[in-house]
Amino acid sequence: ETGVTQTPRHLVMGMTNKKSLKCEQHLGHNAMYWYKQSAKKPLELMFVYSLEERVENNSVPSRFSPECPNSSHLFLHLHTLQPEDSALYLCASSQDDRGDEKLFFGSGTQLSVL
Amino acid sequence: GQNIDQPTEMTATEGAIVQINCTYQTSGFNGLFWYQQHAGEAPTFLSYNVLDGLEEKGRFSSFLSRSKGYSYLLLKELQMKDSASYLCAVSYPYGQNFVFGPGTRLSVLP
Repeated sequence: ETGVTQTPRHLVMGMTNKKSLKCEQHLGHNAMYWYKQSAKKPLELMFVYSLEERVENNSVPSRFSPECPNSSHLFLHLHTLQPEDSALYLCASSQDDRGDEKLFFGSGTQLSVL
Repeated sequence: GQNIDQPTEMTATEGAIVQINCTYQTSGFNGLFWYQQHAGEAPTFLSYNVLDGLEEKGRFSSFLSRSKGYSYLLLKELQMKDSASYLCAVSYPYGQNFVFGPGTRLSVLP
């Protein structure tokens, strides 16, 4: 248990569906992140939120839409995804976004797009 | 650019020592992290190097040389439970944060 909880653990969706991934951290951290982990590729940073404001968006397609309603919760809204979006989506948090604090990861959502 | 390389796979024997290398072509970073990730689980923090040199934590040690652009993770007295992927990552301040290497999958054999 890392203090970061993600739901659901597994998700299968069609290309026309809309779904959301949820992340909650119980560590009192100020920064939260979405990462994508595809087979045989490095972890890719998608979004960074610091104190509930988006800091970084690494040119992620608009079919991925993040939401950070407060410092403990982070969502990733998904719509009209493509099969190549199938991957493990990891949420993480850290004390701040200075880059010298370790990341605490959730267990991830394994997403399959059919 | 931020090019980070690691060997894809390594195999070692229980009780042995293994060194996992990480080379990078980047500068201006805060430090270098190592994470362990068991299959189907979240990555977990192992070590963090800011200054050049060796950081020791029980069976695990990590080394950083900024001038030579590389780091390594040293695992001693290998156990079966050490079979996992090992990820190195360089960290930057404010927003850009962590850039991960491809990971090294270590198999520990009896």
